[in-house]
Amino acid sequence: AQSVTQLDSQVPVFEEAPVELRCNYSSSVSVYLFWYVQYPNQGLQLLLKYLSGSTLVKGINGFEAEFNKSQTSFHLRKPSVHISDTAEYFCAVRPGGGADGLTFGKGTHLIIQP
Amino acid sequence: DADVTQTPRNRITKTGKRIMLECSQTKGHDRMYWYRQDPGLGLRLIYYSFDVKDINKGEISDGYSVSRQAQAKFSLSLESAIPNQTALYFCATSDSVTDTQYFGPGTRLTVL
Repeated sequence: AQSVTQLDSQVPVFEEAPVELRCNYSSSVSVYLFWYVQYPNQGLQLLLKYLSGSTLVKGINGFEAEFNKSQTSFHLRKPSVHISDTAEYFCAVRPGGGADGLTFGKGTHLIIQP
Repeated sequence: DADVTQTPRNRITKTGKRIMLECSQTKGHDRMYWYRQDPGLGLRLIYYSFDVKDINKGEISDGYSVSRQAQAKFSLSLESAIPNQTALYFCATSDSVTDTQYFGPGTRLTVL
């Protein structure tokens, strides 16, 4: 079984400042990793994913994440946030090579302050 | 048109009632999933299906059942709704090519 820990339930950041949202996972097998974003009153949209290959993954809206196998982490970063980035961010994991459902973290609410 | 649609978008019902939530997709994906979202808990997997003949229980299947009527349709039923099933329910689809799940807009269910 897998588990995902998002260490911060809420992260306030000033506009144009950098941000890092932390995600750690636990699994006995190799995994695929995902970050999803949920804007208010909307469904989930994929930001980026790591399946294999380069550990630095670039996604939409200027976000990127780095897979660190030794630290079992997949932290999400953006060098300069905008007010429109205010949303809930979810880290998720599933076993590599399978088709099982995703195991999600509890989410991090990113609050952009003007 | 949206690739993954859910009906209804909002539903208020009473304890003990039978409820069906429906999901349809035009992406041509084989795999479909149902999740529920509760505040502060993230999303949890209820059921998933790899094709019309394959149904699998997820983390929290008790109190729920599903039906895969066709490749494009996957319904979630609450046989006898209870208040702690009040939540936001999401359907998702995926395929083996992109290995990515695509989510519908969600159904907000309130059980009184």
